[in-house]
Amino acid sequence: AQSVSQHNHHVILSEAASLELGCNYSYGGTVNLFWYVQYPGQHLQLLLKYFSGDPLVKGIKGFEAEFIKSKFSFNLRKPSVQWSDTAEYFCAVRPYGNNRLAFGKGNQVVVIP
Amino acid sequence: DAGITQSPRYKITETGRQVTLMCHQTWSHSYMFWYRQDLGHGLRLIYYSAAADITDKGEVPDGYVVSRSKTENFPLTLESATRSQTSVYFCASSESVLANNEQFFGPGTRLTVL
Repeated sequence: AQSVSQHNHHVILSEAASLELGCNYSYGGTVNLFWYVQYPGQHLQLLLKYFSGDPLVKGIKGFEAEFIKSKFSFNLRKPSVQWSDTAEYFCAVRPYGNNRLAFGKGNQVVVIP
Repeated sequence: DAGITQSPRYKITETGRQVTLMCHQTWSHSYMFWYRQDLGHGLRLIYYSAAADITDKGEVPDGYVVSRSKTENFPLTLESATRSQTSVYFCASSESVLANNEQFFGPGTRLTVL
């Protein structure tokens, strides 16, 4: 079964700082990749997704992620965070044609005003 | 546009009781999923369904039962609740897994088993 690793489970940073969250997966075939965000007390919402094409994907709220196939990675970035970015972020991987998502354990991000 | 709804949003029950969590989606999505979210574990798949009357186990199915008699509904039943089933439960749906589709999540049900 595929696994998804997210590092630095707790991240605390100040507003305007840059954010990068790592995501690595263990699956050798074609995959679909996702980043979901969960704001406090809310359900998961899709930030961005990668299926094919340009490996640099832009999502909502200024987030972007880069798929590096050789490193089995899909890292999330935002150049300048805001207090409203305080949330938990989940990376998810789905082997192409499979109906199951595998989630990482999440990154709890706290942005200090 | 109601999307995907879950009920109840909060539930407190006692060990040994049967509990059913409801999930309803208005998109006529083929696939539906149940996850549980626990600190340190992220989201883990309990059961999923590819269509009405088709269900399959996920990563952590023990202690849970699902059914899907109608496309829009996917109830999750804890036949005899245990404290280890205290968690936040999320239902999700997607149109197709062969197309470029994401899963859409419901608001969650916070279940406490005393």
